[in-house]
Amino acid sequence: AQSVTQPDIHITVSEGASLELRCNYSYGATPYLFWYVQSPGQGLQLLLKYFSGDTLVQGIKGFEAEFKRSQSSFNLRKPSVHWSDAAEYFCAVGAKEYGNKLVFGAGTILRVKS
Amino acid sequence: TAGITQAPTSQILAAGRSMTLRCTQDMRHNAMYWYRQDLGLGLRLIHYSNTAGTTGKGEVPDGYSVSRANTDDFPLTLASAVPSQTSVYFCASTLSNTEAFFGQGTRLTVV
Repeated sequence: AQSVTQPDIHITVSEGASLELRCNYSYGATPYLFWYVQSPGQGLQLLLKYFSGDTLVQGIKGFEAEFKRSQSSFNLRKPSVHWSDAAEYFCAVGAKEYGNKLVFGAGTILRVKS
Repeated sequence: TAGITQAPTSQILAAGRSMTLRCTQDMRHNAMYWYRQDLGLGLRLIHYSNTAGTTGKGEVPDGYSVSRANTDDFPLTLASAVPSQTSVYFCASTLSNTEAFFGQGTRLTVV
C-alpha cells in the first residue's frame, strides 16, 4: 500500500535559522510529490511540486525540496526561516497508476521562536 | 476566481441526523476529492471522482456517500452521523496530473 511518512510531528527553529522537514514515501509507481502548508483555520496551500525533470524544485515563499529516488525522500528546506512560516506542513504523494489520488503524511507542525 | 467553495463553514450536528456537505468548483477540473483531517493523522481520502458520473472509495469511506452529477459539484453526505465523524472536511479538485486545489474546509462536530 502507498504510504507517506513525516517522522517529525513538531519542529521548533529560531527565526533566521535553516529548516529541513523530512518526508519519506513508499509507492509502487513513479510518484508525483507535493508539499502543502496550512495555517491555523485555513485550507491547504501548495508550496511546490515535483513531477519529473530536475530533482531540486523551487517553490513559493523561499522553499525548495529535493527528490531523492534512492532514498524515497522529498525533504523540504528553507535557508532562513521567518516567523510567518509557523504553520503545519504536509507532504503528499500521488501517481498516475493510482488515479492521481493524493496520499498525505501526518503533517509536521513548525514553531518559530524569536 | 472563486476556485473551490465549501459550505457550510462549520456545523454542529446531532448524532443520528443526516447532513450534506457541499462542494463546488469553477475551474472545470475533472477530478474531485473529499478528505477528512484529524489531528496526528493528516488528511485521509474519503471518496473521489475522476470525472462526472463516476465515484470511488478512498481510505475511509464508511458512513459517507458522494455523487457527481456534473463537473462542478461534489456533495458529501453523512446518512446517520456518529461522533467519530467529528472532523474537518476538505474538498479538493485537480486537472489530470496536476496539483490539488483545496477548499477552506468544513468543521463538523457531531454531538
